[in-house]
Amino acid sequence: DAGVIQSPRHEVTEMGQEVTLRCKPISGHDYLFWYRQTMMQGLELLVYFNNKAVMDDSGMPKDRFSAKMPNASFSTLKIQPSEPRDSAVYFCASSNRQGQAPLHFGNGTRLTVT
Amino acid sequence: AQSVTQLDSQVPVFEEAPVELRCNYSSSVSVYLFWYVQYPNQGLQLLLKYLSGSTLVKGINGFEAEFNKSQTSFHLRKPSVHISDTAEYFCAVSDIRQGGKLIFGQGTELSVKP
Repeated sequence: DAGVIQSPRHEVTEMGQEVTLRCKPISGHDYLFWYRQTMMQGLELLVYFNNKAVMDDSGMPKDRFSAKMPNASFSTLKIQPSEPRDSAVYFCASSNRQGQAPLHFGNGTRLTVT
Repeated sequence: AQSVTQLDSQVPVFEEAPVELRCNYSSSVSVYLFWYVQYPNQGLQLLLKYLSGSTLVKGINGFEAEFNKSQTSFHLRKPSVHISDTAEYFCAVSDIRQGGKLIFGQGTELSVKP
């Protein structure tokens, strides 16, 4: 299995631009998570899905962030408009069982907003 | 709600010495506990997990952790570290009712010196 695949690996954009991060979970995994990692805040859960439905998005700034999972093998995290404080590494992770199963992480997207 | 506190942000240690990385959690409900490792420019990988049963859990790369319910701790140990163990280590907790949503600690940077 190829694991969780994220694209792009690096993204540099200017403040105010739209940014779209992409994730392909492991086949058969019905939980998908988006985390953001910064030096100051550590790993923060932004949103997670179960069977393509949003289960919890309480960690996601609703005014500029949106997350979608149009099918079982693809998810996007969109930031519009982007701001310098959004600079971070964004991780996607998936798992196949409630609670007990470990998360499988992608290698992350490093976002820099100038 | 759950929270995780990793008591040391950095732990320097010499090669072949023992190491303990400390983790305390807070939760009003039963939880699952995990340790993950992150190497530079990579996503997180599972080291070990505690779901139930024996409080001493063995993981990959010679690591083990002990669940102590009365002290709400889940400390990670290795009797003899290698240079290759240099990485960041994250303790995480999930509510057994909430489908894999992991809350992470701030991380401990383990630096193994020759």
